[in-house]
Amino acid sequence: DVKVTQSSRYLVKRTGEKVFLECVQDMDHENMFWYRQDPGLGLRLIYFSYDVKMKEKGDIPEGYSVSREKKERFSLILESASTNQTSMYLCASSLLQTGVRETQYFGPGTRLLVL
Amino acid sequence: SQQGEEDPQALSIQEGENATMNCSYKTSINNLQWYRQNSGRGLVHLILIRSNEREKHSGRLRVTLDTSKKSSSLLITASRAADTASYFCATGRMDSSYKLIFGSGTRLLVRP
Repeated sequence: DVKVTQSSRYLVKRTGEKVFLECVQDMDHENMFWYRQDPGLGLRLIYFSYDVKMKEKGDIPEGYSVSREKKERFSLILESASTNQTSMYLCASSLLQTGVRETQYFGPGTRLLVL
Repeated sequence: SQQGEEDPQALSIQEGENATMNCSYKTSINNLQWYRQNSGRGLVHLILIRSNEREKHSGRLRVTLDTSKKSSSLLITASRAADTASYFCATGRMDSSYKLIFGSGTRLLVRP
């Protein structure tokens, strides 16, 4: 079974702090994704990566950056946390198969509270 | 509105009843997927139906796809309290071969 793990289930940070959220998958998937989920807004894509060191902005990249130095690990960075970044953050991975939207496998999520 | 809109937003049924959730989308797809999310957890893939399929079954789940109406439905038969969760449909984005668009989901409550 695919396993996607996230470094923390709950996180409390202060405004202005730099925050790192880490995601690791064990199935050799090429694609990795970071979403945030807010009530009434569904899942919104922040960034995704289709290969090591490759990244592409999603729908809401402002205030975030990402890093993918190894295939299995995809990090989301909040450069200077703000209260409006309080949210549930979900990481996912999928196989790369051109023209086919493959199943995404999700981690358990990190609930971030920025005070 | 976003591609992949679920309807209804919330559904409350008695254990043993069937639950039906609908999803509408706007553009051409090559597949449509349904996911489930237990409260405060990640999403779990339930079933994928390809654009050339009309119906698919998996255990107590039945998914239909009508590409002419750009709609899909998820039926859960003989529901159990453990089916209480949010259910999302997801479709592919035209600007990417592997990005998905998720709707806001249907919150299902199954009362014991």
